[in-house]
Amino acid sequence: GQQVMQIPQYQHVQEGEDFTTYCNSSTTLSNIQWYKQRPGGHPVFLIQLVKSGEVKKQKRLTFQFGEAKKNSSLHITATQTTDVGTYFCAAANAGGTSYGKLTFGQGTILTVHP
Amino acid sequence: DGGITQSPKYLFRKEGQNVTLSCEQNLNHDAMYWYRQDPGQGLRLIYYSQIVNDFQKGDIAEGYSVSREKKESFPLTVTSAQKNPTAFYLCASSIISGGGGTDTQYFGPGTRLTVL
Repeated sequence: GQQVMQIPQYQHVQEGEDFTTYCNSSTTLSNIQWYKQRPGGHPVFLIQLVKSGEVKKQKRLTFQFGEAKKNSSLHITATQTTDVGTYFCAAANAGGTSYGKLTFGQGTILTVHP
Repeated sequence: DGGITQSPKYLFRKEGQNVTLSCEQNLNHDAMYWYRQDPGQGLRLIYYSQIVNDFQKGDIAEGYSVSREKKESFPLTVTSAQKNPTAFYLCASSIISGGGGTDTQYFGPGTRLTVL
């Protein structure tokens, strides 16, 4: 089945430092979504990328979708303690018939030291 | 978040017993999903349903069963055949818009199942 690799598994930063997590697939993706899960909470949707090479920004968060639609990244500028949590990418396979079926990456656990 | 309920939050069961986890949504979403979350492994899809009385196996369906008798409800039964049932179980729902992307999934608060 589809596999989505996400790195790093853990990232510890000082408040104010930048953070990046990467998501890679061996197959071409239809689109990719990003979710954030706070400690003890449940995943919450952040954004969806659909177009090749697409870049979207949400305040300090920048999301990119690769030109080949096989990889994506999430970059946080100047982290804050409120950014703590696990960030997941979730991929939908191109050409798939299972509408709505997402494959999640393993997640990157971000801790921010004040 | 908002409109999806899972109960209970914590559940303890003895080994060999079947247990049913509830998931209810009032968002009028057509699609519903069950995921299992283990440390370091992200979310893995167990079952999903796009319409009442129909559902499909996900990546790790063995040892689980579901039903979708009502649009609002998608209960998951963890059977005694599931070898390692202790995990955090998340239910989600989404609309089916038929657009170019994949519709956002809204997650419930989850049920943490511990089998003793």
